[in-house]
Amino acid sequence: KQEVTQIPAALSVPEGENLVLNCSFTDSAIYNLQWFRQDPGKGLTSLLLIQSSQREQTSGRLNASLDKSSGRSTLYIAASQPGDSATYLCAVRPGSNYKLTFGKGTLLTVNP
Amino acid sequence: GAVVSQHPSRVICKSGTSVKIECRSLDFQATTMFWYRQFPKQSLMLMATSNEGSKATYEQGVEKDKFLINHASLTLSTLTVTSAHPEDSSFYICSVTGTSGGDTQYFGPGTRLTVL
Repeated sequence: KQEVTQIPAALSVPEGENLVLNCSFTDSAIYNLQWFRQDPGKGLTSLLLIQSSQREQTSGRLNASLDKSSGRSTLYIAASQPGDSATYLCAVRPGSNYKLTFGKGTLLTVNP
Repeated sequence: GAVVSQHPSRVICKSGTSVKIECRSLDFQATTMFWYRQFPKQSLMLMATSNEGSKATYEQGVEKDKFLINHASLTLSTLTVTSAHPEDSSFYICSVTGTSGGDTQYFGPGTRLTVL
């Protein structure tokens, strides 16, 4: 059974810092991995999707990497801003079906 | 990406009543819709997968007679919580995917259900 773990559970940083969020998964046989953002009481916004054949994806200040063999992914946020404050979730898709297994998320607070 | 809406955004009901939550894909043909439940500080847990025009497939431990799912069209799926109890209080989120959406799932804004 796939298990997804995110470390740290919470992170508080001053504005402007670069930071890394970690995600690990137990079964490396994944189809893709996706990073989401969730604001309090809201749904999920997709940030980046990495296919199993890819090593990284970039969007603006965000960069996600994937090391499938070791079961790890990182989300790098450059020059953090207070508006980046949210919970960041990673989810893995195991195969041809669309089921996602989510981690519990990292609650990020960026202080002005 | 696809725009997904849910209605209502919040609902409070008495124990024993039934509550219907709608999930609409506004600009996207959603061949598959998913229903998730999220308890406070917990991960999203998949409840069921529904394909348009077919019966939903429920995850282990999810009672299909309690959580009725209907996916009658490519733009609408409903989740009905029957005879709701306080332990059903949670955040319910739907997501959609389709043939033109690639591998991405698009999520709705969620519905906060509180059962008194």
